[in-house]
Amino acid sequence: GIQVEQSPPDLILQEGANSTLRCNFSDSVNNLQWFHQNPWGQLINLFYIPSGTKQNGRLSATTVATERYSLLYISSSQTTDSGVYFCAVERGSGTYKYIFGTGTRLKVLA
Amino acid sequence: GAVVSQHPSRVICKSGTSVKIECRSLDFQATTMFWYRQFPKQSLMLMATSNEGSKATYEQGVEKDKFLINHASLTLSTLTVTSAHPEDSSFYICSARDDRAFSYEQYFGPGTRLTVT
Repeated sequence: GIQVEQSPPDLILQEGANSTLRCNFSDSVNNLQWFHQNPWGQLINLFYIPSGTKQNGRLSATTVATERYSLLYISSSQTTDSGVYFCAVERGSGTYKYIFGTGTRLKVLA
Repeated sequence: GAVVSQHPSRVICKSGTSVKIECRSLDFQATTMFWYRQFPKQSLMLMATSNEGSKATYEQGVEKDKFLINHASLTLSTLTVTSAHPEDSSFYICSARDDRAFSYEQYFGPGTRLTVT
């Protein structure tokens, strides 16, 4: 089955720093989402981005489907950005079933 | 819009008892909902797909008789953990997709933390 790997697994930043999180997937996908899981476990939708580039405030994402990767950029990080970031890809076209990546655990220090 | 709720948020039960978890789409209809399980410091693993009006489909390795799923309406799916044991302790999360949406974007509930003693 499709494999979804994220890097780095852990990241510690000073407040105000920028970072890039990467999501690699082993097969072509039609749908991809980025999530932030907060300390209480809630998954917050960041981007639905099967291809192309999107921006939302300090966050932006780019998916290059032909090269099987997606990037999440966080600029001017804040302590509230701490948590785990997951990418998820659809397994098989039209199934709506998501395979989650391994996650990146981010800690932003004040 | 696109809010998914879960109830309860946290439950503690004794070994051998059953626990029901509800997942509701509050402002949209969802023919299909999904149930995931997450162990501490791990990723989410899809357990099953809940379909309104038909039987749920389970991922390989998930016991359908232990995790009973009922999709009673276009806004409600329930997961019942039957005869729970300590190894069933986990964080259970549901998701749903808006039937009317053009995209495949899914929305996730806040999760239910189950502890079996």
